[in-house]
Amino acid sequence: ETGVTQSPTHLIKTRGQQVTLRCSSQSGHNTVSWYQQALGQGPQFIFQYYREEENGRGNFPPRFSGLQFPNYSSELNVNALELDDSALYLCASKPTGSYEQYFGPGTRLTVT
Amino acid sequence: EDQVTQSPEALRLQEGESSSLNCSYTVSGLRGLFWYRQDPGKGPEFLFTLYSAGEEKEKERLKATLTKKESFLHITAPKPEDSATYLCAVQAYDNFNKFYFGSGTKLNVKP
Repeated sequence: ETGVTQSPTHLIKTRGQQVTLRCSSQSGHNTVSWYQQALGQGPQFIFQYYREEENGRGNFPPRFSGLQFPNYSSELNVNALELDDSALYLCASKPTGSYEQYFGPGTRLTVT
Repeated sequence: EDQVTQSPEALRLQEGESSSLNCSYTVSGLRGLFWYRQDPGKGPEFLFTLYSAGEEKEKERLKATLTKKESFLHITAPKPEDSATYLCAVQAYDNFNKFYFGSGTKLNVKP
């Protein structure tokens, strides 16, 4: 067990809608990253938060946004959902001073 | 541009048949190379971190090695429970807030 939890497990949305995915990590894990993993592909980096501020972003449009809270929880928000947004969304946290990140079980998002 | 390529895409082995998975990378200053195991529908599970060429790490039937251009994950006498997708990721010094993942190698070990 990594101590990283995500909710919900599965979600079905319609194109054009908005979605919020949630992640909770362990105490002391000040860095959280979000990834999108399409079927048969490796995880693609969306962005990273450190102490509630975004400090790194991959090649994703602004409709992907996030928040990190002082209680080691975080959110990924996606606006104007597109069919290609269907994927497994992974949250990963990293303790301060460590290079290694630990993943949650993911949220499977299906956009119809 | 930083890149990670894994091969083969898929590998089928008989139980006990040893083999190796490859991860080749192009990154401007490697900060760390990471191996993960991922079971279907689940998040990646951390296996190893390698930091410099020549370094080796072992865990049960798995051994990871690193050169300046690639890493290998050696699987000795695999068992069916080793069946999973193995992912490699790199982190660069000049952009250490990003992890670049390969597409993975899907390993199937038959009894």
